[in-house]
Parts: sequence; structure tokens; C-alpha cells
Amino acid sequence: QSVLTQPPSASGTPGQRVTISCSGSSSNIGRNTVNWYQQLPGTAPKLLIYSNNQRPSGVPDRFSGSKTGTSASLAISGLQSEDEADYYCAVWDDRLSWVFGGGTKLTVL
Amino acid sequence: QVQLVQSGAEVKKPEASVKVSCKASGYTFSDYYIHWVRQAPGQGLEWMGWINPKSGGTKYAQKFQGRVTMTKDTSISTAYMELSRLNSDDTAVYYCAREAPWTMIKFDYWGQGTLVTVSS
Repeated sequence: QSVLTQPPSASGTPGQRVTISCSGSSSNIGRNTVNWYQQLPGTAPKLLIYSNNQRPSGVPDRFSGSKTGTSASLAISGLQSEDEADYYCAVWDDRLSWVFGGGTKLTVL
Repeated sequence: QVQLVQSGAEVKKPEASVKVSCKASGYTFSDYYIHWVRQAPGQGLEWMGWINPKSGGTKYAQKFQGRVTMTKDTSISTAYMELSRLNSDDTAVYYCAREAPWTMIKFDYWGQGTLVTVSS
């Protein structure tokens, strides 16, 4: 049971916009910034979004993040087949640990 | 370029210990924390703790307190994670990842992962 709640799956067709939610609490998302990671099959996670809505260099602007209260969202616009992956949210919890969401498997139909 | 290169796969018996290494290159090793995150087969990511290579200070997740030890050898830019009293639930891929503590950028580079299999 993850501290952060994500939907186990999401899907969309090429070109569509999809969003993935991440729900937490006042001790984590409510007080700290959220990061998102993309994990392609068989590979290590890759930083996609940091500080709620910032993209590292090299991440396409099709990926965006937002946060409201104790929830955060990752949006992917102009969906492409190579976006098919697992997506994880992560945040520092003031109970003194990093916590991850359970992950969302994105399928491009 | 920044790289974190981990040691190879391990097979261990229950109650044994495993030590995984993470060699950093392409940046100043002591300037970035090294975190350890594991992923059981078909499961999500689980944070285990961090080490500050400059001070040697550590912070472990409560779940692993007493069983995990994170160390470093700055002379060879390498961090280590040792997990003791292994059981089948510890079968997982173990990743190292770096953090720049003075920025909001977290876990920007990851190692390739080390599969640890616990089996009798």
C-alpha cells in the first residue's frame, strides 16, 4: 500500500492528452514539491518533472505537471507510442522519508 | 557525462547479506547525495535511504533500519549499500540515484540497477 495513490492504469490514442493523478496528504504533497519519473520497460526510472512543474533539459514540453493542495497531476499531450511506460510520482514526506506512488501503467492504444 | 554504474546481479541465500556498489563519474562525487531505491518484480519503487558522500551521514527508511548500511569510498567515487538478513521479499532490482541537495532537482541520474535474487 503506497503512501501516494495513483491509478494503476491509463490509456489514450496517439495525439490525445492524458492525465495521471497522484494523491497524498498534508505531510507530503501538501508541504513539499512533487517529482515525476518515467520508467520504460526494463530500464531505470528517468526524471520527467521536478518541483511540481519544471522539466529537466531534454524533456519535451508535451509533459507538464501541476499541484493543488495534497494532489498532483502529470499531463501528457500529443500522446506518442514511445510514451508507453510506467509513471511514478515521488515526494519527500515530513515523517522523514521519500515516498513514491504505486505507479501508473500508460498504454498507447 | 554523468554516469552511475552499478555492480552485477547477485544470488543470495536467505539470512545472507548483499553489498551493491554504485560508481559515479562525470561529476564531483562528494557534491551529491546518493539514494538507494528498490523495485520488487512487477512492483513499484521503494526508497531505502541516502548517504551524503561528503560527510558520510546517512538517513535510512524506517523499514530498513537495523538491516541496511550505506557507505562510501570517495577515493574511487563509489557508494555502497549493504542489506543483511535477506529474505525472499528482498528479491528486487536495486537502484542508486543522485540528488543535488541544494536544488529542487531530485534523482536526476540513476544507475542501471542491480538484480538481487534471494533463494534457497
